[in-house]
Amino acid sequence: QKEVEQDPGPLSVPEGAIVSLNCTYSNSAFQYFMWYRQYSRKGPELLMYTYSSGNKEDGRFTAQVDKSSKYISLFIRDSQPSDSATYLCASSFTGGGNKLTFGTGTQLKVEL
Amino acid sequence: ETGVTQSPTHLIKTRGQQVTLRCSSQSGHNTVSWYQQALGQGPQFIFQYYREEENGRGNFPPRFSGLQFPNYSSELNVNALELDDSALYLCASSLGQTTDTQYFGPGTRLTVL
Repeated sequence: QKEVEQDPGPLSVPEGAIVSLNCTYSNSAFQYFMWYRQYSRKGPELLMYTYSSGNKEDGRFTAQVDKSSKYISLFIRDSQPSDSATYLCASSFTGGGNKLTFGTGTQLKVEL
Repeated sequence: ETGVTQSPTHLIKTRGQQVTLRCSSQSGHNTVSWYQQALGQGPQFIFQYYREEENGRGNFPPRFSGLQFPNYSSELNVNALELDDSALYLCASSLGQTTDTQYFGPGTRLTVL
């Protein structure tokens, strides 16, 4: 069993839709949770960073962590075609600068 | 752009050869991590260097080795290449190990024939 599980998709939504991306993890020692966005032929780009349980909002993006159920979510409101990318969830033990354990990534396509 | 650069962009090698990939970290960052991303998979941690010392290693064999230089740039060396080593190799830099982000470079696409 992988430490971080993520549905690979692909997920296709119409422009303006609310997108929900999810991951589960198995290691209770994970304390830090991140979402990265990766465009084709590019490196991952950090979108959201949260510590422990709770919500964090940044513009159209909201990250949620529920440590009791080991569930990580990313919501994208008013999705745009430019949001089309692969979204990777990642976890670490001691901070975002340390070893990251990634999910497989979910491929998202936002269509006009 | 993150300020992390990697070279070369693409590389084709044959099985059994050796390869060296290079990474220049973002200005002021003293920690470099390397990841391997196979097609359709998430990145997998190879190892991390902090102030020129290896500081953590993932589940990769010893033929994967690295270096970090005094200017904090880094190299990843892979000996005795295997077909399964074909992947995107990503370098990420950060300021220390517990700061809130790693900045990734664009990666080096390695193809082993």
